[in-house]
Amino acid sequence: DAKTTQPPSMDCAEGRAANLPCNHSTISGNEYVYWYRQIHSQGPQYIIHGLKNNETNEMASLIITEDRKSSTLILPHATLRDTAVYYCIVLITGANSKLTFGKGITLSVRP
Amino acid sequence: GAGVSQTPSNKVTEKGKYVELRCDPISGHTALYWYRQSLGQGPEFLIYFQGTGAADDSGLPNDRFFAVRPEGSVSTLKIQRTERGDSAVYLCASSSTPLGFQFFGPGTRLTVL
Repeated sequence: DAKTTQPPSMDCAEGRAANLPCNHSTISGNEYVYWYRQIHSQGPQYIIHGLKNNETNEMASLIITEDRKSSTLILPHATLRDTAVYYCIVLITGANSKLTFGKGITLSVRP
Repeated sequence: GAGVSQTPSNKVTEKGKYVELRCDPISGHTALYWYRQSLGQGPEFLIYFQGTGAADDSGLPNDRFFAVRPEGSVSTLKIQRTERGDSAVYLCASSSTPLGFQFFGPGTRLTVL
């Protein structure tokens, strides 16, 4: 059974913020939210992760709702190079942090 | 190199043949993962190594698939009696910690004719 649900696709204009939603209504207290992306013909790339608090790094911001049942990945100024499949993953970090990918959301950034 | 490397980048074989796919993880990374990605799908976990030992091989689809990591660095994924359904991109990832951020290689595209 899927632990996360994401819309299949979305697009945004270059230079604008891209807000990618993810639902994880069955998340448990010790599960983190991770985001990866996969540009065409490349391996997945780690973006950001969080537990409860909002997080920001040089790539993106992660906003997690207070009940932790959903989150949003924000790319503040999308560029054409951000066109990719974005995966939202929940997992308990520990001895075996194998990633369970869904189908992800395809973000298309248009000029 | 600084990243995870995988060879070959492409492999075409005939049904029934044996193939080996190689992964060179980032130096010093003790955790190594293999995933398989079919067209239009997200990657699926195959096997996880911590050091030399396979700590979790629950994702291997059947006994035609086997992986080794004899010295705790390079890993080889071996597929016997290949079938057309084995065609996919095989991804390798490594990590220095038991956390969720893994560094992926570019993958090996396997085509079984």
